[in-house]
Amino acid sequence: GAVVSQHPSRVICKSGTSVKIECRSLDFQATTMFWYRQFPKKSLMLMATSNEGSKATYEQGVEKDKFLINHASLTLSTLTVTSAHPEDSSFYICSASDQGTWQPQHFGDGTRLSIL
Amino acid sequence: QKEVEQNSGPLSVPEGAIASLNCTYSDRGSQSFFWYRQYSGKSPELIMFIYSNGDKEDGRFTAQLNKASQYVSLLIRDSQPSDSATYLCALSRGDKIIFGKGTRLHILP
Repeated sequence: GAVVSQHPSRVICKSGTSVKIECRSLDFQATTMFWYRQFPKKSLMLMATSNEGSKATYEQGVEKDKFLINHASLTLSTLTVTSAHPEDSSFYICSASDQGTWQPQHFGDGTRLSIL
Repeated sequence: QKEVEQNSGPLSVPEGAIASLNCTYSDRGSQSFFWYRQYSGKSPELIMFIYSNGDKEDGRFTAQLNKASQYVSLLIRDSQPSDSATYLCALSRGDKIIFGKGTRLHILP
C-alpha cells in the first residue's frame, strides 16, 4: 500500500530556531500533499495544501511567512517553521494520496515539535 | 452548521458489544467519506471509506452512508480494548479533506 514517510519524528529546539519537516511519498507520486497541526487533545487542523510546482494554499489564519512550504518534486514536500516560538509547539502531520482527495489520504507518522 | 459534526464523547462501550459512531455533514455535494482511527500521540490511520449509499463491511467494521439524510456511521462489532481511540469522520470537498473533531471511544474491559 501507499506509504508516506515523515521526518523527523521529534524535534526539541530553542526558541528562534527554524525547523524543517520533510514529507515523502515512498511508492507513489503526489501532486498534492496536506499539512496539519494538532494540539494536545484537540482536533486535526488543516494548515495548508502543498501543490507540486506551485505555491501552497494556506488556510485562513495560518501565516505563510511563518510556515514555509516547498513542494519541489512529486514525492517530497517540506514544511519549515521559521523562528519557532513555544506557541508553535505542536504535532505536525502530513498526508498525501496518489489519486486526489476522492481517495483515502495516507498519513505520515507525524512530527512532535517542542520549542523551549 | 459545521461541515462535519461528531459527538466528542467519550463514548463508553463494554467489551464485546457494538460501538456505534455517528457523523453528519452539511455539503450535499460531498462524494467520498472516510473513517480514521487515531490513538493518542499518533497520526490517523484509515479504517474505512465509502462512496455509495448503503453499508460497507470490512471485518468487524461496517460503514453506513445515507446521503439523503447526510450522515455517515461506523459500527464496530465485538469491541476490543484496542479499539479505544478517537475516531475521525472525514469527507472530500473539492481539493480538500474536511475532518470532524472526532469521537473518543472507550471500550470497557
